[in-house]
Amino acid sequence: KQEVTQIPAALSVPEGENLVLNCSFTDSAIYNLQWFRQDPGKGLTSLLLIQSSQREQTSGRLNASLDKSSGRSTLYIAASQPGDSATYLCAAPPPGRGYALNFGKGTSLLVTP
Amino acid sequence: NAGVTQTPKFQVLKTGQSMTLQCAQDMNHNSMYWYRQDPGMGLRLIYYSASEGTTDKGEVPNGYNVSRLNKREFSLRLESAAPSQTSVYFCASSESGLAGLGGSYEQYFGPGTRLTVT
Repeated sequence: KQEVTQIPAALSVPEGENLVLNCSFTDSAIYNLQWFRQDPGKGLTSLLLIQSSQREQTSGRLNASLDKSSGRSTLYIAASQPGDSATYLCAAPPPGRGYALNFGKGTSLLVTP
Repeated sequence: NAGVTQTPKFQVLKTGQSMTLQCAQDMNHNSMYWYRQDPGMGLRLIYYSASEGTTDKGEVPNGYNVSRLNKREFSLRLESAAPSQTSVYFCASSESGLAGLGGSYEQYFGPGTRLTVT
């Protein structure tokens, strides 16, 4: 199984700050890693998918990086806004199998006005 | 284009009752998944279907059965509900179930079913 860990579990920042969310995984032979956003009581929204051959992906104010050798991924959020408040989850498929995903427990982000 | 839809949104069952959770996707995806989300446990895979006509167990399959009815639909059945099955259930789909073999592996999730078993 791919063990996925996210630190910190919760984070509160004032609006406008740049911030970094961390994700670590135990098996470096991953095919890809996916970042999701989950709003309270809602489903998961895919933010970014990084293939194993890529080092980073960008979408608007979001940038995700992948370092397989160190077993780490980071999600960088630029110029945070109150609307960014949500739980952010990272997930990777188990080694050698590829299907489905093992999830971290998430980082709960609060951006205060 | 509705993406992944799930019914019902909420359900309360008594211990021992049965029910089926429905999931459908309109993205022509080959692979579909059922996860459950519990506080402090994160999301865990119950069953998946890599392609139409195939299903396989995930991490926590006990007490559940699944049916891949066709390419669009993947249902999850609780034959005899137990309080331990109180959870939020998510269905997801992706173009390809085997990462690294081409195609898009990005997973898309439905809004979830909140199930309480008393």
